[in-house]
Amino acid sequence: TQLLEQSPQFLSIQEGENLTVYCNSSSVFSSLQWYRQEPGEGPVLLVTVVTGGEVKKLKRLTFQFGDARKDSSLHITAAQPGDTGLYLCAGTGGTSYGKLTFGQGTILTVHP
Amino acid sequence: NAGVTQTPKFQVLKTGQSMTLQCAQDMNHNSMYWYRQDPGMGLRLIYYSASEGTTDKGEVPNGYNVSRLNKREFSLRLESAAPSQTSVYFCASSERRQGISNEQYFGPGTRLTVT
Repeated sequence: TQLLEQSPQFLSIQEGENLTVYCNSSSVFSSLQWYRQEPGEGPVLLVTVVTGGEVKKLKRLTFQFGDARKDSSLHITAAQPGDTGLYLCAGTGGTSYGKLTFGQGTILTVHP
Repeated sequence: NAGVTQTPKFQVLKTGQSMTLQCAQDMNHNSMYWYRQDPGMGLRLIYYSASEGTTDKGEVPNGYNVSRLNKREFSLRLESAAPSQTSVYFCASSERRQGISNEQYFGPGTRLTVT
């Protein structure tokens, strides 16, 4: 069974601060996704990374896939209250048909 | 374009009662999934259907059954509800492709309480 460990579980910061969320595993993933979920709604995809060492930027969000494809990070620059939510990483193994293994999630609260 | 719809949105059951959660997608996706979400545990896969006519167990299938009624619809049944099944249930769909993950589109969830 592939496991993804996400840290930290909770993050409470002030507007304008930077933060990083980590997603780690002992298993290799063929691709990794980051989702954001708001209260009362389902998760929504932010990004998919597929190549070891890959870095993707989405405005103030930077996503990195580790060289060995076992870990990933999400960095937010100058966080805003609108970034508040649950962030989930999810990975796919090479032989699965789109099945995702999710991390436990990071609850981010950005205070104005 | 409704995406993924789920019914009901809320449900309270007594221990031992049964119910079926309905899910439908209008994106012509081959694959559909049922997850449960509990605090501090992310989303855990209950069952999935890689394509119409096939279903398979996920990480936590005990106490649940599924039916892939057609390409659009995938239902989840609790035959005899238990308090441990209190959770938020999400249905999702995606294109089927081996290896690399395609985006999964999630429904709004069903909040189930078993007393």
